[in-house]
Amino acid sequence: GENVEQHPSTLSVQEGDSAVIKCTYSDSASNYFPWYKQELGKRPQLIIDIRSNVGEKKDQRIAVTLNKTAKHFSLHITETQPEDSAVYFCAADWGYSTLTFGKGTMLLVSP
Amino acid sequence: DTGVSQDPRHKITKRGQNVTFRCDPISEHNRLYWYRQTLGQGPEFLTYFQNEAQLEKSRLLSDRFSAERPKGSFSTLEIQRTEQGDSAMYLCASSSESGGAWGELFFGEGSRLTVL
Repeated sequence: GENVEQHPSTLSVQEGDSAVIKCTYSDSASNYFPWYKQELGKRPQLIIDIRSNVGEKKDQRIAVTLNKTAKHFSLHITETQPEDSAVYFCAADWGYSTLTFGKGTMLLVSP
Repeated sequence: DTGVSQDPRHKITKRGQNVTFRCDPISEHNRLYWYRQTLGQGPEFLTYFQNEAQLEKSRLLSDRFSAERPKGSFSTLEIQRTEQGDSAMYLCASSSESGGAWGELFFGEGSRLTVL
């Protein structure tokens, strides 16, 4: 099966700074890499995803990059705001329509 | 609310008892997933249904766990002879096949299980 490693486990930034979260995966057959945000006590929600046929995708302040050769992908958040504080999970697909999630990164944005 | 709903939201049980969780997916979604999440960890895949067919099941899933989706709509997850290690948040998610090979997973609020 797939193994997804995520770093760092915690990340503290000042409001307005950028935040970068990195993930690596093991299965070279993986083609789909979503990122989910989970606020305290709430359900995970998709914020952005990328498929293996592109190297970068951007949505306002959020961007994701993918390096299939190195088997790693990253989430970039620019101009962070306190409401960005949450746990972020990366994931990679394997098998039949299933996802393996990383252990998560707790992002804290201080005003 | 037309999102994924789960019941019960909280369940406290004694070791050795059986528990059952129910998930009602978004009505037009034919794919349904069960995940388990413990504190400080990401969601761990348990099983996957497409319509009523269970197409994938985690190799790590104990025989004490069983899931059904009899009519391709709601699903149940049963844990028999619960153990303290089963304490976790059980998340259900659904997605639509119309999204192609990969569609966004819509998660429910989860069912939190505490085994004493």
